[in-house]
Amino acid sequence: EAQVTQNPRYLITVTGKKLTVTCSQNMNHEYMSWYRQDPGLGLRQIYYSMNVEVTDKGDVPEGYKVSRKEKRNFPLILESPSPNQTSLYFCASSLWTGAFFGQGTRLTVV
Amino acid sequence: GQQVMQIPQYQHVQEGEDFTTYCNSSTTLSNIQWYKQRPGGHPVFLIQLVKSGEVKKQKRLTFQFGEAKKNSSLHITATQTTDVGTYFCAGLDSGYALNFGKGTSLLVTP
Repeated sequence: EAQVTQNPRYLITVTGKKLTVTCSQNMNHEYMSWYRQDPGLGLRQIYYSMNVEVTDKGDVPEGYKVSRKEKRNFPLILESPSPNQTSLYFCASSLWTGAFFGQGTRLTVV
Repeated sequence: GQQVMQIPQYQHVQEGEDFTTYCNSSTTLSNIQWYKQRPGGHPVFLIQLVKSGEVKKQKRLTFQFGEAKKNSSLHITATQTTDVGTYFCAGLDSGYALNFGKGTSLLVTP
């Protein structure tokens, strides 16, 4: 089954404690991206990757890092989370013919 | 940068009424995509429009792309309770970023 898998689905953490949200896709897509969704602000792109070892900033990259060492994986790293990063995060793969989204990760930073 | 505006923000209809959401871009788009997100779910790709003036139908849903490729609309005929959710348009320009509108949340009461 074609899918994008994110883990964890829910996470509560404390300010400053590094965390990683994993994302994996099984469709061999070259393009992957991360979004955050906040009430009233819609979906905003954090980072995207055109292919292995190729990443670029989206609209709201501050406070986030990504890596693309393998085609199927695109982890999102928060080196020092802050409360303003409390949000719903989505990973997606593919672009030009429609994006496939993961189930989402609801992150709370206290 | 490219901005995508979507109206209305909310729409509450009685089951059986029609519904339309509109999307406008500040720049010419190479394509526009539409997504639906059910409450508590993730965005799901509905359709992509590429050609100027293009009209596509999916059962009760009709999608249009403007002649100038800067605006689009989604029209639902005779809404059903299963249509509840948030509908997003997302514009793709010549770059590699999908810019989402803020979405229209549709509530359908029986």
